[in-house]
Amino acid sequence: EIVLTQSPGTLSLSPGERATLSCRASQSVTNNYLAWYQQKPGQAPRLLIYGTSSRATGIPDRFSGSGSGTDFTLTVSRLEPEDFAVYYCQHYGNSPPYTFGQGTKLEIK
Amino acid sequence: EVQLVESGGGLVQSGGSLRLSCAASGFTLSTFWMTWVRQAPGKGLEWVASINQGGSEKYYVDSVKGRFTVSRDNAKNSLYLQMNDLTEDDTAVYYCARPRYLQFGHFDTWGQGTPVTVSS
Repeated sequence: EIVLTQSPGTLSLSPGERATLSCRASQSVTNNYLAWYQQKPGQAPRLLIYGTSSRATGIPDRFSGSGSGTDFTLTVSRLEPEDFAVYYCQHYGNSPPYTFGQGTKLEIK
Repeated sequence: EVQLVESGGGLVQSGGSLRLSCAASGFTLSTFWMTWVRQAPGKGLEWVASINQGGSEKYYVDSVKGRFTVSRDNAKNSLYLQMNDLTEDDTAVYYCARPRYLQFGHFDTWGQGTPVTVSS
C-alpha cells in the first residue's frame, strides 16, 4: 500500500502569491494515478486534479498538477481569497485500497 | 442535478451498530463503483470501503474489515454501510463518493456527509 506524505503541513501566503504543495509517495505511482482535492471547513472535498495533471470540470486554470514517480506537486499560480483551504493528494490504483495524504493547510498570511 | 445524500448517522455507544445510507439522484447508480470515505474530527480523509457496480466486489480498509459491510441496491439508487461493533475510533463524518463517469478511484461527486459519534 502506498503511503502519501504531504508538505508543508501549513503554508502561509498572501493573495496573489504562488503556492506550491508537495505530495511524496512511498513507492512509484503507476499510470500517474494521483489526484488532488480542496476542502473548506464544513464542506465535502472537491476534486481539482486527476491523473496527476488533468483539471476536473470547472476548475480554474490557476490550478495545475505535475509530477511523476514518487514526487507530485499542486501549484496555484495566483492565489485568490477563496483558495485558502486544506488540500489533499490521493493515490488511486486500478483497484482499492485508495490512500490520501494527511493534508496541507493553505492559510492567509 | 447529480446529487448524493447521506443519512443514518448519529450517536451510538461503543459496541453498537449503525446503518448509513446514501441516496443517489441525477444519474444511474448501477453505472458506477461507489465508495465511502470518512473524516475524524480535525483529521484528514480516510478511504473506508468501495463496491463495484453489481456488488460482487467489495474492498475495505483494514481497520473496519469484519465489522463494516458495504452494499447497494441499484433499483433504489442507494448505497449502504452497515457498521457493527463500533469503537470511538470510528467517530467521523462519513461521505459517500462517486468517481468520474467510466473512471475509478478519484471522486468528483460527494455527499454532504453524515456524522457518526461513538461514545464510551
